[in-house]
Amino acid sequence: GQNIDQPTEMTATEGAIVQINCTYQTSGFNGLFWYQQHAGEAPTFLSYNVLDGLEEKGRFSSFLSRSKGYSYLLLKELQMKDSASYLCAVRDQRYGGSQGNLIFGKGTKLSVKP
Amino acid sequence: GAGVSQSPRYKVAKRGQDVALRCDPISGHVSLFWYQQALGQGPEFLTYFQNEAQLDKSGLPSDRFFAERPEGSVSTLKIQRTQQEDSAVYLCASSLALNSHEQFFGPGTRLTVL
Repeated sequence: GQNIDQPTEMTATEGAIVQINCTYQTSGFNGLFWYQQHAGEAPTFLSYNVLDGLEEKGRFSSFLSRSKGYSYLLLKELQMKDSASYLCAVRDQRYGGSQGNLIFGKGTKLSVKP
Repeated sequence: GAGVSQSPRYKVAKRGQDVALRCDPISGHVSLFWYQQALGQGPEFLTYFQNEAQLDKSGLPSDRFFAERPEGSVSTLKIQRTQQEDSAVYLCASSLALNSHEQFFGPGTRLTVL
């Protein structure tokens, strides 16, 4: 089956660092994505990992271990505007089936406090 | 426009009514995806198109759901005989190619079925 797990909620302090974990079990794998979604808005792309290791992009970094089915999103120097839901998603790729669609976790709601 | 647009942004329907939700993808984007997002959940895949061809509709929850993209650009998701469990945000996303790193999401249509 397809299963993506991430914590439901997290709280952190402005200026701090927070790590949001994601574990996945999917029938196929063609990349792992992180999206940010503010309430009532569209998800926006943050990062993409297809090989093991760390990808850094400004204040945001994402890590992938394919053997462990594990990823995390690291947010540094937290700002109030980082309060949002963070969605972990795996791009499925199954022979004879759909290719390219994303399988999302339920999202982690991050609250940044002053 | 620069991004994916969807209309209407909000739709209230009485149970049993038919609704049509429109998506205008980014010009030139080959792939188009529809997702359904229930409150507090991550988006769930419904269907995708490559140009005008609907290559996967495995996520459509019932035969009341129908999607089309006749000219390979604008897409319409139609729901017949709406039911309360259809209440959700319907997100459209487009990407330049099937396995592009990024899917660009529209703002969604919030459907409420009374």
